[in-house]
Amino acid sequence: DTGVSQDPRHKITKRGQNVTFRCDPISEHNRLYWYRQTLGQGPEFLTYFQNEAQLEKSRLLSDRFSAERPKGSFSTLEIQRTEQGDSAMYLCASSLEAGRGANYGYTFGSGTRLTVV
Amino acid sequence: DQQVKQNSPSLSVQEGRISILNCDYTNSMFDYFLWYKKYPAEGPTFLISISSIKDKNEDGRFTVFLNKSAKHLSLHIVPSQPGDSAVYFCAARSVDTGTASKLTFGTGTRLQVTL
Repeated sequence: DTGVSQDPRHKITKRGQNVTFRCDPISEHNRLYWYRQTLGQGPEFLTYFQNEAQLEKSRLLSDRFSAERPKGSFSTLEIQRTEQGDSAMYLCASSLEAGRGANYGYTFGSGTRLTVV
Repeated sequence: DQQVKQNSPSLSVQEGRISILNCDYTNSMFDYFLWYKKYPAEGPTFLISISSIKDKNEDGRFTVFLNKSAKHLSLHIVPSQPGDSAVYFCAARSVDTGTASKLTFGTGTRLQVTL
């Protein structure tokens, strides 16, 4: 298992364009999370899935953001009509159900760095 | 509303000495605390954690202390090594139903271990 994979690693887009990121979690992990990290801040929770069900969404996840996890495997995060304020590192993490493992089994990917110009 | 605070943005320590990174929190519903280490261009990596029912957890060179009454935790690294140079994030999990899976992170402390 190669851990949590995110693609692409970097994305530069023009304001107003749509972008989509992909996350492949650790295969046996049924929970998948998206976080966003801006410069000088810690990661901020966006949303999480248990299998294919999206169970919680942050108020940070505006209408322009949508996340899916078809069949409970990989996940995509789409941002429509990107704005300069969307520039950030988008981190994906996966885990087993909470409570199993010392850190709740949270394994992060290396992230996708989005720059909106 | 910053529920997890790391008030020191940076810390410089000599190799072999002790590094102490601090974290304060405001939410009484936090029941589990974690420290993550992050190198540039990589995702955060889990380091050590502590349940709110304990006041100390040790793993090799890393020890986390929790003072619930002060809503304060600290990470001690002894002895510090150059490879420990990274950004360290404190994170907390709430016992609230519905938020059971998300972590709230602090803003991080950049540790530099000098020779």
